[in-house]
Amino acid sequence: AAGVIQSPRHLIKEKRETATLKCYPIPRHDTVYWYQQGPGQDPQFLISFYEKMQSDKGSIPDRFSAQQFSDYHSELNMSSLELGDSALYFCASSFASSGGTDTQYFGPGTRLTVL
Amino acid sequence: AQKITQTQPGMFVQEKEAVTLDCTYDTSDPSYGLFWYKQPSSGEMIFLIYQGSYDQQNATEGRYSLNFQKARKSANLVISASQLGDSAMYFCAMREGSNYQLIWGAGTKLIIKP
Repeated sequence: AAGVIQSPRHLIKEKRETATLKCYPIPRHDTVYWYQQGPGQDPQFLISFYEKMQSDKGSIPDRFSAQQFSDYHSELNMSSLELGDSALYFCASSFASSGGTDTQYFGPGTRLTVL
Repeated sequence: AQKITQTQPGMFVQEKEAVTLDCTYDTSDPSYGLFWYKQPSSGEMIFLIYQGSYDQQNATEGRYSLNFQKARKSANLVISASQLGDSAMYFCAMREGSNYQLIWGAGTKLIIKP
């Protein structure tokens, strides 16, 4: 079965640089989520999109922005990178259904290292 | 206050034994969902099992079952006949009402001994 695709899988950037992470949800899934997981920590919710509209917002820094495109893929744009942004970034997708579980299926993650 | 509490930072279990990973939650919303995910050392996050607040029966998925005690606000994961490949970090997570985000516990690191 098709899974969530994230690219790139690894990314190394310098401080103050920008980065763009891409996410391709499972086919027919209409909701995309972004999470940040620091070393040894649980994932922290950043932002989500349902049918290309922002649906929920968590602890996403102002330096970050995201959007979902017409083909449902999503991009997380990160600017003025800081050392503390080094983390594993997950994208997840789900199919919104009334009374359903809306289980979030995760991609393999993008490991960002900021030097 | 913590919304999801996993009190076991780490556990060692002998292969083939059953193991219970604890999870308690806190919410005032009558509609919520509870999820368990497995994160091996390779980093991916794998969905294991789901329990809805209105579900009458405990969820089961193969060797995974969820011991859901609503009055006690606990949703413990039970893994039967543990295998070496079960060694991983296990996270309990909750989704409240119509919110989109998952709220996560700190995780339990499970190590299966041969």
